[in-house]
Amino acid sequence: GAGVSQSPSNKVTEKGKDVELRCDPISGHTALYWYRQSLGQGLEFLIYFQGNSAPDKSGLPSDRFSAERTGGSVSTLTIQRTQQEDSAVYLCASSLGVGKLTEAFFGQGTRLTVV
Amino acid sequence: QKEVEQDPGPLSVPEGAIVSLNCTYSNSAFQYFMWYRQYSRKGPELLMYTYSSGNKEDGRFTAQVDKSSKYISLFIRDSQPSDSATYLCAMRALSGGSYIPTFGRGTSLIVHP
Repeated sequence: GAGVSQSPSNKVTEKGKDVELRCDPISGHTALYWYRQSLGQGLEFLIYFQGNSAPDKSGLPSDRFSAERTGGSVSTLTIQRTQQEDSAVYLCASSLGVGKLTEAFFGQGTRLTVV
Repeated sequence: QKEVEQDPGPLSVPEGAIVSLNCTYSNSAFQYFMWYRQYSRKGPELLMYTYSSGNKEDGRFTAQVDKSSKYISLFIRDSQPSDSATYLCAMRALSGGSYIPTFGRGTSLIVHP
């Protein structure tokens, strides 16, 4: 398809385990965002990639969270030693880039449950 | 205080009603405004965007921006049960600031037949 693809769609993990969430952005989109959406809360910004620039990691809540983007396309968000408060929907979005009229398109999200 | 404030609702209206959804913001660098619709267990989808004060219309939807009051609205005319969803406002700078969109909490809308 032509949209943003995220996998897995659902993930249940035990507390203390590491998880990897994957995002395939729209082809040609240079900007990629990760957000977290907890129940009843808005979208919390995590990290932003734009082309070959250094990522903006200012939203990552702790050093257990990291993300990379290989070849300017696919991105992986890794959460180490998961905690119950990490349970949320993790959303990925991509856009054409910075500047005017560059809206972000979202994937379906990965619903993470830490038990 | 959050940069973007949005009442989470829920807002319940009868079919055919005019719906008004609102956000306020505090960061004057925000110049680009977006509205997203999110159905249950789906990702947000972009409804409308604008970067100027005034009104922008698209079918049954009208986005309104008042930069002097730092207040934006989304109006839905002739609301339908299929409009039942969470509506999120988002905004960001155009230049000289962060391009990362900041989102409101979202307002849950229920349109009942």
